[in-house]
Amino acid sequence: TQLLEQSPQFLSIQEGENLTVYCNSSSVFSSLQWYRQEPGEGPVLLVTVVTGGEVKKLKRLTFQFGDARKDSSLHITAAQPGDTGLYLCAGFLSGGSNYKLTFGKGTLLTVNP
Amino acid sequence: DVKVTQSSRYLVKRTGEKVFLECVQDMDHENMFWYRQDPGLGLRLIYFSYDVKMKEKGDIPEGYSVSREKKERFSLILESASTNQTSMYLCASSFRRANTEAFFGQGTRLTVV
Repeated sequence: TQLLEQSPQFLSIQEGENLTVYCNSSSVFSSLQWYRQEPGEGPVLLVTVVTGGEVKKLKRLTFQFGDARKDSSLHITAAQPGDTGLYLCAGFLSGGSNYKLTFGKGTLLTVNP
Repeated sequence: DVKVTQSSRYLVKRTGEKVFLECVQDMDHENMFWYRQDPGLGLRLIYFSYDVKMKEKGDIPEGYSVSREKKERFSLILESASTNQTSMYLCASSFRRANTEAFFGQGTRLTVV
């Protein structure tokens, strides 16, 4: 059973379009993180959200943590080819250990020029 | 800058060989992790260590062992490599505190023939 479900699995869009990636669970998380992974590299942290309902912005990226801390979304405005990569959500289960990150399977985003 | 360095980017080994994957971090992190990443399956935790000589099994430890003799170094050992262990292996490290960021190495693509 996958604790964190990401959708869509694949997304191919044109430069300038907006997009949203979702990360859902039936479990409560003490925090959720979003990572981006480029081909041939390890994932790199984009953001950590901790409080239910929290919204964080990172330039053209907007991250939201659901009120119940079971889901999160990543919205990209005016996507650029440099946004291409694998986007991974990951979380620490509430009441679980504070070392074990649970990962979703990822959303592979391709932004075409 | 935090650096997590994996000893090899690419490795080709024969079935039955004993394989060592090495990882070194320079941030004095307490936690170190080994994941494998496969298409459609995402990142899965093999083993982690929260201190020198301490280790705990992750979600898929079968066929693997680990060693942590020094704080900065965490080794993954495939006792007898098999073709189903062909994968991308990612090492990560983090501080031992809640909601902390994981820093990843660049990955080792292992092919077992």
